[in-house]
Amino acid sequence: DAKTTQPPSMDCAEGRAANLPCNHSTISGNEYVYWYRQIHSQGPQYIIHGLKNNETNEMASLIITEDRKSSTLILPHATLRDTAVYYCIVRVGGYGQNFVFGPGTRLSVLP
Amino acid sequence: GAVVSQHPSRVICKSGTSVKIECRSLDFQATTMFWYRQFPKQSLMLMATSNEGSKATYEQGVEKDKFLINHASLTLSTLTVTSAHPEDSSFYICSARPGGSNQPQHFGDGTRLSIL
Repeated sequence: DAKTTQPPSMDCAEGRAANLPCNHSTISGNEYVYWYRQIHSQGPQYIIHGLKNNETNEMASLIITEDRKSSTLILPHATLRDTAVYYCIVRVGGYGQNFVFGPGTRLSVLP
Repeated sequence: GAVVSQHPSRVICKSGTSVKIECRSLDFQATTMFWYRQFPKQSLMLMATSNEGSKATYEQGVEKDKFLINHASLTLSTLTVTSAHPEDSSFYICSARPGGSNQPQHFGDGTRLSIL
């Protein structure tokens, strides 16, 4: 699996966009980028994933660089409820493939 | 969307007790489910891969006789912590993935196990 590097913590003002970076410089061509978040004492929540193209859903946008060596998760209007640990994971597709979690980024949304 | 249900959400029991945790995929079939453990202020660590109809695959350092996994149907996997001790106290989380090669895994809400 490609390793990912994320900043350990970030702050964001409520109502502003939160931009969470992830470096995955050793990603291979068939590996997807997945983002999850974990709010205290809950299981990880799926946010978004992509392969090459930028993706957007009701929760967030995922921007993947052209060389695919890094990506950014964007929460367009952060709320206090977005305070969580955010994990960036790269993994090949495949039914039986587990996910390897790094330490993630602890995002604190401040009022 | 895909839902994974985990039960119970919290268990408190005496040392030496065996505890069973259930993980169900509610709206999809899963031939493979995963069990993770998370200690305070740490990330999730994979314990084992549960395979329907066959033996589970355990990660290095995880005792298979201590953590019994049964995956008897396409929607249910169970993790039994046998003769639990205080050092087994942790947050246990399961996950499963719907069909489709790039589909994301979906996680249960976790089970907080406290051994007194």
